[in-house]
Amino acid sequence: NAGVMQNPRHLVRRRGQEARLRCSPMKGHSHVYWYRQLPEEGLKFMVYLQKENIIDESGMPKERFSAEFPKEGPSILRIQQVVRGDSAAYFCASSQAGQSSYNSPLHFGNGTRLTVT
Amino acid sequence: AQSVTQLDSQVPVFEEAPVELRCNYSSSVSVYLFWYVQYPNQGLQLLLKYLSGSTLVKGINGFEAEFKKSETSFHLTKPSAHMSDAAEYFCAVSEGGFKTIFGAGTRLFVIA
Repeated sequence: NAGVMQNPRHLVRRRGQEARLRCSPMKGHSHVYWYRQLPEEGLKFMVYLQKENIIDESGMPKERFSAEFPKEGPSILRIQQVVRGDSAAYFCASSQAGQSSYNSPLHFGNGTRLTVT
Repeated sequence: AQSVTQLDSQVPVFEEAPVELRCNYSSSVSVYLFWYVQYPNQGLQLLLKYLSGSTLVKGINGFEAEFKKSETSFHLTKPSAHMSDAAEYFCAVSEGGFKTIFGAGTRLFVIA
């Protein structure tokens, strides 16, 4: 009964490199959310995806950031040309149905801690 | 637009003392309210949720929260703190759409 799986747990990148963060939702869940956590700031919504569709990306920076959730395989959050300000913990969450279904709380992974040097 | 304010960034309590973590929200429509707990180096776990019905909600680990619409509050309480309760607690609100908005978190310290 695996929960939400994120990898890697820790990722170190030099400025200008690309970061790829992976998230496998809970079994039976088809809705994936990405959040970014900065110290003292709580979690900030980034993007909400269903299989092969981006539903809401209003929290994603306009440049360098992209997300996908293909028909097969995990959801990927991709950050191109990383900068020091991208250093944060990135959490993925999944739910069985969309948040418009009140009985579908978020289940979180343990996060990927990205450090940009 | 909805928002969540957690009034205390840190709350120290003695072991076996009562706990209260405060949360206020703003929204123009009916909301769903949640409390999550985060232990070090882990993701968030759902403690409890208010969707409708009884305004006093019981969650796991002996926590409960009361929804007070007139005060737009959803404070989290526990009668007696244990060392294992030391963690960060997040209040969250959803209007039933696609986003859950989180507060900045309150770190609970339990003093032996």
